[in-house]
Amino acid sequence: AQSVTQPDIHITVSEGASLELRCNYSYGATPYLFWYVQSPGQGLQLLLKYFSGDTLVQGIKGFEAEFKRSQSSFNLRKPSVHWSDAAEYFCAVGAEDSSYKLIFGSGTRLLVRP
Amino acid sequence: DTAVSQTPKYLVTQMGNDKSIKCEQNLGHDTMYWYKQDSKKFLKIMFSYNNKELIINETVPNRFSPKSPDKAHLNLHINSLELGDSAVYFCASSQGTGVVYGYTFGSGTRLTVV
Repeated sequence: AQSVTQPDIHITVSEGASLELRCNYSYGATPYLFWYVQSPGQGLQLLLKYFSGDTLVQGIKGFEAEFKRSQSSFNLRKPSVHWSDAAEYFCAVGAEDSSYKLIFGSGTRLLVRP
Repeated sequence: DTAVSQTPKYLVTQMGNDKSIKCEQNLGHDTMYWYKQDSKKFLKIMFSYNNKELIINETVPNRFSPKSPDKAHLNLHINSLELGDSAVYFCASSQGTGVVYGYTFGSGTRLTVV
């Protein structure tokens, strides 16, 4: 069955530093992949998505992600982190058994040092 | 003008009680979902409706019953609440298949069973 792994439970970076959040997936065919962000007390907001085409995907708030089939990865990056980026980040993959279901990773909490 | 709105935002109740959570979306989407987020932030799908028809029904105790009176509304009724039901419940919607387009989430309902 498909799954999503986010190996880092939390990451701390300094404001202005670059960021990379890791996501690995298990999926038989070409996956539909997503990154969501959840600010404290809020719902999840879609940052970006990939399902075909250019493997480098641009999203909102200056985020990008790169799909690497050979590594089964879809890592999220940002060149310069702002304090407002502190939040929980979730990677998700579309399920193989349903075109409606997303399967989420366990999340990575991003802390930003001033 | 909230796209996906859930009520109430917080719900504290005693074990054994029955409670409902309401969800409404004004995006014109035809598919709606309930997800449960546990204390470890893990998100798991519970139900999905497409045009008022139940299309996903995961392994959820039958104390949980979703109802979709029309495609803009999806409610969740929970009977005989248990301590383990304490979680954040998210409603979401998508236009067509969530796997392709992703979801729009509500801000969540934090349910605490005491």
